[in-house]
Amino acid sequence: ELKVEQNPLFLSMQEGKNYTIYCNYSTTSDRLYWYRQDPGKSLESLFVLLSNGAVKQEGRLMASLDTKARLSTLHITAAVHDLSATYFCAVMDTGNQFYFGTGTSLTVIP
Amino acid sequence: DSGVTQTPKHLITATGQRVTLRCSPRSGDLSVYWYQQSLDQGLQFLIQYYNGEERAKGNILERFSAQQFPDLHSELNLSSLELGDSALYFCASSAGQAYNEQFFGPGTRLTVL
Repeated sequence: ELKVEQNPLFLSMQEGKNYTIYCNYSTTSDRLYWYRQDPGKSLESLFVLLSNGAVKQEGRLMASLDTKARLSTLHITAAVHDLSATYFCAVMDTGNQFYFGTGTSLTVIP
Repeated sequence: DSGVTQTPKHLITATGQRVTLRCSPRSGDLSVYWYQQSLDQGLQFLIQYYNGEERAKGNILERFSAQQFPDLHSELNLSSLELGDSALYFCASSAGQAYNEQFFGPGTRLTVL
């Protein structure tokens, strides 16, 4: 079974600072997804990364994928309070099954 | 609003019972996915349907079953319910296969007493 590890699990950061969330996975895959979940809400798709070296950016968030290292990163630039949420990565295996990370709970402090 | 609807929003039932959760995908989306989210097990992928056919199966218990109907809505049936089945159940839809962005419904919160 494919294993997905996210770190950190909890992240408290000041507004205006930069930080990176890491997502490691255990077997070969070139399909990686990032989601956001606000407290008590459903999930929102942020990025779909489908090839080695893929980089996508939306606002203050940028996601990248290194399939050789089996690593994806979600970089936060100049954090603002509205980015406070839980972020999940998920990997799809060759059988089209999804495996989720444990999530990173991000709190941005004014 | 993602365009994906789920009913009911909340469901409270007893152990041993059977329930049906319903999902209507976004207009035009052919794929439907079901997920379970609980404190114990986190987010788990259950099953995917594409245009009425089962496409991928994840950690779905034998007591659970799903189907996608010709109008593309989907139902997740949970039977012989146990306390541990209490969770949030999300469905999502996408335009085609799983390479596409998924849009999630608001979820059904199931409580088994």
